[in-house]
Amino acid sequence: GAVVSQHPSRVICKSGTSVKIECRSLDFQATTMFWYRQFPKQSLMLMATSNEGSKATYEQGVEKDKFLINHASLTLSTLTVTSAHPEDSSFYICSASQTGGEQYFGPGTRLTVT
Amino acid sequence: AQSVSQHNHHVILSEAASLELGCNYSYGGTVNLFWYVQYPGQHLQLLLKYFSGDPLVKGIKGFEAEFIKSKFSFNLRKPSVQWSDTAEYFCAVNALPSGGYNKLIFGAGTRLAVHP
Repeated sequence: GAVVSQHPSRVICKSGTSVKIECRSLDFQATTMFWYRQFPKQSLMLMATSNEGSKATYEQGVEKDKFLINHASLTLSTLTVTSAHPEDSSFYICSASQTGGEQYFGPGTRLTVT
Repeated sequence: AQSVSQHNHHVILSEAASLELGCNYSYGGTVNLFWYVQYPGQHLQLLLKYFSGDPLVKGIKGFEAEFIKSKFSFNLRKPSVQWSDTAEYFCAVNALPSGGYNKLIFGAGTRLAVHP
């Protein structure tokens, strides 16, 4: 099956700093990538959808200036959490798909903001 | 707004017991429905999906799910669970009328523990 990786798997940063999370499709070209956020014991919440070469589409309530998404190539999307605060601490999961196809999920990144 | 509810947050079974996990959604239009599984330490994997046709769909590892449109339900079943089925199970609905895999809305998940 298709493989999606995320880096880093865990990151701790200080309040006010920015952190970048990478999502890569390793063996296929992903025209669309999705970013989710998961709080403990809760479901995955879609944050945004990005198509290669286009601006990301953010879900209602997600601050696009805080969560910067770049999908510059067919195998890489990045999520940058800018000026992170403790309430941004969460589990961030990406998925990737080819046009209209199944989403393949990455292993997730645990972000802790101190 | 569309939503997905999974009734059981935590289920504990013995091996060989039958399993049924409930999933209900709220959306009046055409839906695509999914069950994903997350084994301990692993990423989400697609277990099965319903797009159209036979409302009883079969997935991997002996799982099946039945779409009952009148009840807005898509319950997951397995006649005899194994210890290796210990995992978290997520029901998901596609929110777009046009269908497909995009814009999935997930339920809160059900954590299944199977004891030998």
